Amino acid sequence: RKEVEQDPGPFNVPEGATVAFNCTYSNSASQSFFWYRQDCRKEPKLLMSVYSSGNEDGRFTAQLNRASQYISLLIRDSKLSDSATYLCVVPEGGRRALTFGSGTRLQVQP
Amino acid sequence: GAVVSQHPSWVICKSGTSVKIECRSLDFQATTMFWYRQFPKQSLMLMATSNEGSKATYEQGVEKDKFLINHASLTLSTLTVTSAHPEDSSFYICSASGGTGGGWADTQYFGPGTRLTVL
Repeated sequence: RKEVEQDPGPFNVPEGATVAFNCTYSNSASQSFFWYRQDCRKEPKLLMSVYSSGNEDGRFTAQLNRASQYISLLIRDSKLSDSATYLCVVPEGGRRALTFGSGTRLQVQP
Repeated sequence: GAVVSQHPSWVICKSGTSVKIECRSLDFQATTMFWYRQFPKQSLMLMATSNEGSKATYEQGVEKDKFLINHASLTLSTLTVTSAHPEDSSFYICSASGGTGGGWADTQYFGPGTRLTVL
């Protein structure tokens, strides 16, 4: 089983739609989680951090389910500018290195 | 926010040559820098972890003699791809962490990446 798994998509949604991505992780000891956004040919940019049960920032909500070992990202009222690949990221235990999921591609259409 | 730069942003070289990529933290001191590689339609894969003043720690399967990493100061780390071959063509991204708390909680700031094409 991969350490971090994501549905690669693509998710094609109309503007204004609500879309959710899931990510599962294998290390039950993981304490923190991140969602990054990566645009084509660009570096990843931190979108949200999740340390407890969840986090909300405007149209974006991240939720953590430790029992089932998954993290979700919910995007409400999708904008065209939300089109990107969303990476689920889990730190590697005691190290500072990050394990990236393969990413979920979102395409918001007009 | 913290800024990390990379140079060059893209490079094209002939097979067999060596390429050096620089990663700089512009407004903070990076105690740890990470080098990642990303092939098309794949996610970032960690290559090595570099701590200032010490030898880099390489991930399994990454040849340390081929990918030379130097972290000589708190603001600069370099990755040299020696004797580059077409299969080394990839997007190389560095990240820098300046936290002193240790562990996984320190935020990593990513450079803009360097696109290497080996002909």
